[in-house]
Amino acid sequence: GDSVTQMEGPVTLSEEAFLTINCTYTATGYPSLFWYVQYPGEGLQLLLKATKADDKGSNKGFEATYRKETTSFHLEKGSVQVSDSAVYFCALRRESAAGNNRKLIWGLGTSLAVNP
Amino acid sequence: DGGITQSPKYLFRKEGQNVTLSCEQNLNHDAMYWYRQDPGQGLRLIYYSQIVNDFQKGDIAEGYSVSREKKESFPLTVTSAQKNPTAFYLCATSASTDTQYFGPGTRLTVL
Repeated sequence: GDSVTQMEGPVTLSEEAFLTINCTYTATGYPSLFWYVQYPGEGLQLLLKATKADDKGSNKGFEATYRKETTSFHLEKGSVQVSDSAVYFCALRRESAAGNNRKLIWGLGTSLAVNP
Repeated sequence: DGGITQSPKYLFRKEGQNVTLSCEQNLNHDAMYWYRQDPGQGLRLIYYSQIVNDFQKGDIAEGYSVSREKKESFPLTVTSAQKNPTAFYLCATSASTDTQYFGPGTRLTVL
């Protein structure tokens, strides 16, 4: 079945370091891919998404490129800040999903802590 | 002010009691979802509803019930049959696009 695998955390970085959080997926066809972020004690917020191969999603300095050949959607940021400390979730939605297939398939989340 | 509201933010329940968590939205989205979040386990889908008066079980529906009498509201009842209900509960909505939008969550603790 479809699945999403994220790198295990926690990830701990110093401020201004480069961030990569790996996400790979298993799915048939061309699913839509998402990154969500969850700040402590809050709900999830959409960070970025990509709906077709080679698309790059970007927001708030974060980027992720939809790589069909490696079935990956790695999250990157060139210079992290303390305020980026959060849990990051990768998710997919099946291609041409409708009805009962509209639900998202979630990774387990990767915790990021950025130290000043 | 548009968005998704969940209430209460914190909820305490004695064993054997049913409790109902509220989720209200004014985004005019057709679909609504309930997730449970436990440390280290990501999000698990409890129930979802694509349209008013219709809903489907998710991956962990046992011990939970829902209703969808209005487009704006999708309350979740945690029944006494749910053996380990202490968790963070998240409500989400979506329109015809892929994106799901989340409420702030309710933290349920069984005393």
